[in-house]
Amino acid sequence: EAAVTQSPRNKVTVTGGNVTLSCRQTNSHNYMYWYRQDTGHGLRLIHYSYGAGNLQIGDVPDGYKATRTTQEDFFLLLELASPSQTSLYFCASSGTGDTEVFFGKGTRLTVV
Amino acid sequence: AQSVTQPDARVTVSEGASLQLRCKYSYSGTPYLFWYVQYPRQGLQLLLKYYSGDPVVQGVNGFEAEFIKSNSSFHLRKASVHWSDSAVYFCAVSAGNVGDNSKLIWGLGTSLVVNP
Repeated sequence: EAAVTQSPRNKVTVTGGNVTLSCRQTNSHNYMYWYRQDTGHGLRLIHYSYGAGNLQIGDVPDGYKATRTTQEDFFLLLELASPSQTSLYFCASSGTGDTEVFFGKGTRLTVV
Repeated sequence: AQSVTQPDARVTVSEGASLQLRCKYSYSGTPYLFWYVQYPRQGLQLLLKYYSGDPVVQGVNGFEAEFIKSNSSFHLRKASVHWSDSAVYFCAVSAGNVGDNSKLIWGLGTSLVVNP
């Protein structure tokens, strides 16, 4: 079964802090995504990637950077964290032309 | 504007009862429709999907959904729920080509509580 692993599962940081969320998929999928999930907003796409070295901007990219170092690994970077970025973050992957998206278990980030 | 509406934020039913979770979408093109489920402390998992053909699609664990084009709806149903079905259910529509998951538009989700 497709596997997407996120780390850490929980993170607390201070305003202005630097945070990196990690994601690894072992599905040999080309596409990887970062979402945030907030009450009242549902799932919102932050960044996504077609493959190693590729980065595409999603719907809510402000304040986030991302990097896809390998086909397996996709990172989300918050360089100056703000309380508005307190959220549940999901990483996901999908294959080329495949309509099913496989999600990790999420990282709960709190910015105090 | 393209959107997905799940009008019920929370639904409570008794175990063994039938279930319908509502989903309406607004999209001008050909809709590709999905239902995902999120169990506690888990990521989302695909329940079922519709592209074309038979408007009633079967999914995992006895779930099904019916696409009604005239009503722009894609309601999820189950004949008899189990306590383990307690979860959050998300409806989504793809605003892009098949397989372009960057164009998924998500509803806000419906939290289902099944009482034993």
